[in-house]
Amino acid sequence: DTAVSQTPKYLVTQMGNDKSIKCEQNLGHDTMYWYKQDSKKFLKIMFSYNNKELIINETVPNRFSPKSPDKAHLNLHINSLELGDSAVYFCASSQGSGSRGIDTQYFGPGTRLTVL
Amino acid sequence: QKEVEQDPGPLSVPEGAIVSLNCTYSNSAFQYFMWYRQYSRKGPELLMYTYSSGNKEDGRFTAQVDKSSKYISLFIRDSQPSDSATYLCAITSGTYKYIFGTGTRLKVLA
Repeated sequence: DTAVSQTPKYLVTQMGNDKSIKCEQNLGHDTMYWYKQDSKKFLKIMFSYNNKELIINETVPNRFSPKSPDKAHLNLHINSLELGDSAVYFCASSQGSGSRGIDTQYFGPGTRLTVL
Repeated sequence: QKEVEQDPGPLSVPEGAIVSLNCTYSNSAFQYFMWYRQYSRKGPELLMYTYSSGNKEDGRFTAQVDKSSKYISLFIRDSQPSDSATYLCAITSGTYKYIFGTGTRLKVLA
């Protein structure tokens, strides 16, 4: 049973295209996240949703638009892809509201995006 | 100054060695300190976490936090080739936002 899953695993596309990455969690968590990990392994948060509401929106170009149709899904749509968007994108989830103490984040396997 | 600093390595050690991985952070508001392990082409997985200062031990792994010097450490005893991975420290004040270090790549040689 995969806790946090992402599709696709690999995505190769041309500059200027629009693409989407999907994420699903079956942990019953309230909060989901998108992270970007660059070639130097630096992992930086992009967005977070709690119960389908946006709660974290870091300084990310508005070409990136997250969408949460329900608590178990958080998709990431990217318009007009640029070379600098090449990275590994990780989805994560946590229990969120109602959790006591640390709100452990569980990560998906990542989507490796290459923009040519 | 970055909020979390971590030496990227790579760090190569022989099997059985004691490994010390470290991070420094700048904001004293952070209270939770975590270590994630990331194998090649996989997502990060939580190894252990500590709250406030002190030590926490889990098998061969010990996490240590010194809030006075804003320094966090992860020690791995009797390191094994299966420990070869990138280790990322992460900090949070207890909100949803985690701040990660850049990760230290560790290679344990058989």
